[in-house]
Amino acid sequence: DSGVTQTPKHLITATGQRVTLRCSPRSGDLSVYWYQQSLDQGLQFLIQYYNGEERAKGNILERFSAQQFPDLHSELNLSSLELGDSALYFCASSVASGGKLGSPLHFGNGTRLTVT
Amino acid sequence: AQSVAQPEDQVNVAEGNPLTVKCTYSVSGNPYLFWYVQYPNRGLQFLLKYITGDNLVKGSYGFEAEFNKSQTSFHLKKPSALVSDSALYFCAVSLMDSNYQLIWGAGTKLIIKP
Repeated sequence: DSGVTQTPKHLITATGQRVTLRCSPRSGDLSVYWYQQSLDQGLQFLIQYYNGEERAKGNILERFSAQQFPDLHSELNLSSLELGDSALYFCASSVASGGKLGSPLHFGNGTRLTVT
Repeated sequence: AQSVAQPEDQVNVAEGNPLTVKCTYSVSGNPYLFWYVQYPNRGLQFLLKYITGDNLVKGSYGFEAEFNKSQTSFHLKKPSALVSDSALYFCAVSLMDSNYQLIWGAGTKLIIKP
């Protein structure tokens, strides 16, 4: 068990809708990352927060947004959903930022989003 | 451009044989290097890392990795493969910028046949 909790595990919704994915980081971790993993296995970095502040942005669409709250949990909001947004969305956390100090990332088990 | 390459989409190994999953990188400075494993329907799990020191690092589940600075490689190895090692393996490299941003390889599917 990584200590990172993601909810929901599965989400099925229609095109054009909006969903919110939630992540609770491992206790003591200040950084939260969001990744998208498509069926072809690639891991796409979306966004990173560190102690409530946005630290890095990857290939995150404008239709997607995220935030990290004072209690350090994070939410990823996906709006105007398209079929191509169907994927596995992972949250990860680490005590430091990025790979600083060699601190590893701890991943949740993901939310599988299906857009129909 | 800074990048990480895992040249093999899939590696097939017979159980009991040694395995190698390759990773090369093109990153300035002296980056930190990581290997992660992903089992079906699970998140990635940290296996091992290289920061500095001995070029051979040992990690979880009997895996080890060899850092080669001149070849900018960080290949994952195991002396004797198990069927349970079958999974998706990702190499990651930490940029030595202010945020230590991670760059990920595309992943290599490892299949161990009985």
